[in-house]
Amino acid sequence: GEDVEQSLFLSVREGDSSVINCTYTDSSSTYLYWYKQEPGAGLQLLTYIFSNMDMKQDQRLTVLLNKKDKHLSLRIADTQTGDSAIYFCSGEGGGNKLTFGTGTQLKVEL
Amino acid sequence: DVKVTQSSRYLVKRTGEKVFLECVQDMDHENMFWYRQDPGLGLRLIYFSYDVKMKEKGDIPEGYSVSREKKERFSLILESASTNQTSMYLCASSGGQYHTTYEQYFGPGTRLTVT
Repeated sequence: GEDVEQSLFLSVREGDSSVINCTYTDSSSTYLYWYKQEPGAGLQLLTYIFSNMDMKQDQRLTVLLNKKDKHLSLRIADTQTGDSAIYFCSGEGGGNKLTFGTGTQLKVEL
Repeated sequence: DVKVTQSSRYLVKRTGEKVFLECVQDMDHENMFWYRQDPGLGLRLIYFSYDVKMKEKGDIPEGYSVSREKKERFSLILESASTNQTSMYLCASSGGQYHTTYEQYFGPGTRLTVT
């Protein structure tokens, strides 16, 4: 099955870019996903990327995929305090399941 | 807009009690999932269901059971709650076999405390 790893914490200043990194083991995922979890809430789908793509941009979000290195990243431009949350990357774990990383806690400081 | 609701946001139960957590989705999704979330451990899959009356064990099914009598509803049951089941419980749903992507939609979570 899929294993997904992320660093646990990231701290950035407001207005800077944030880059959240993720590595995964199983290259058979057709899509890879990024979720955001605000305090006390469930996970919200942010974006996803098709495995044949290298990059996907969606407003302030840029997803980069390096299939050779099995590395996925999420870049948030002009990070705001409202971006403070836990971010999960996720791959397809087979049989309609998703495998989630441990989540990266993003803290945005003024 | 997909909506997944969970019966309670916060729940406090005593050790040994039987606990029911209910989840309802309104998008006619085939797949439904129960996770628990603990600090530093991420999301761990407890059980999932592909269809009515079908269930599959996830990574940590011990101490839990599930029920799916209707397509829109998936219940998680703690037969005899224990303190190590204190956690955040998240329900999710996803489309099914006729969908090309497997993104899951999550409910707001139930924070369960067992004393």
